[in-house]
Amino acid sequence: GAVVSQHPSWVICKSGTSVKIECRSLDFQATTMFWYRQFPKQSLMLMATSNEGSKATYEQGVEKDKFLINHASLTLSTLTVTSAHPEDSSFYICSTRPASVYNEQFFGPGTRLTVL
Amino acid sequence: RKEVEQDPGPFNVPEGATVAFNCTYSNSASQSFFWYRQDCRKEPKLLMSVYSSGNEDGRFTAQLNRASQYISLLIRDSKLSDSATYLCVVNDDYKLSFGAGTTVTVRA
Repeated sequence: GAVVSQHPSWVICKSGTSVKIECRSLDFQATTMFWYRQFPKQSLMLMATSNEGSKATYEQGVEKDKFLINHASLTLSTLTVTSAHPEDSSFYICSTRPASVYNEQFFGPGTRLTVL
Repeated sequence: RKEVEQDPGPFNVPEGATVAFNCTYSNSASQSFFWYRQDCRKEPKLLMSVYSSGNEDGRFTAQLNRASQYISLLIRDSKLSDSATYLCVVNDDYKLSFGAGTTVTVRA
């Protein structure tokens, strides 16, 4: 199947700092990538849809100025959590799919963010 | 009301047992349905798609009931390696909605 990577796999930071998470499609081009957040024992919640070369589409309740998304190339999308606070501690996962695959999303391994 | 609801479990079953669980979805116009498996602290991975006529993949059987808007998953002859959280996923216009997952623990 298609391979999606994320970096870093985990990060611990102080409150008030910004954290950048990268999502890469390794063997295919991805015009659209999805960013999710998952709190313990809860479902994955879609935060935003990242579109290559254009602005991301954010879900209701997600602050676009706090969660900055950049999709500058067909293989890379980044999510920056600005001025992170303890309540932003979560598991952040990206997903995407090759254009030829309609019925499956491929997920990155996730990034576990802990804000102290 | 949540878009996708699942019984969180946990379902604790002995090896070799059969375990089944459902999920319900709220959008009657939803187009496609899946079961994903998520291991602790890992990303979800596709287990199987769910088709209207029901489908089977080895020990796993999925059913879809559009009239009642629920999806089921049945695991036969469960193995220790089946221990995981099973996510019910509904696709609306290529946006995925996830249930919170049903945790299954298979014991020796």
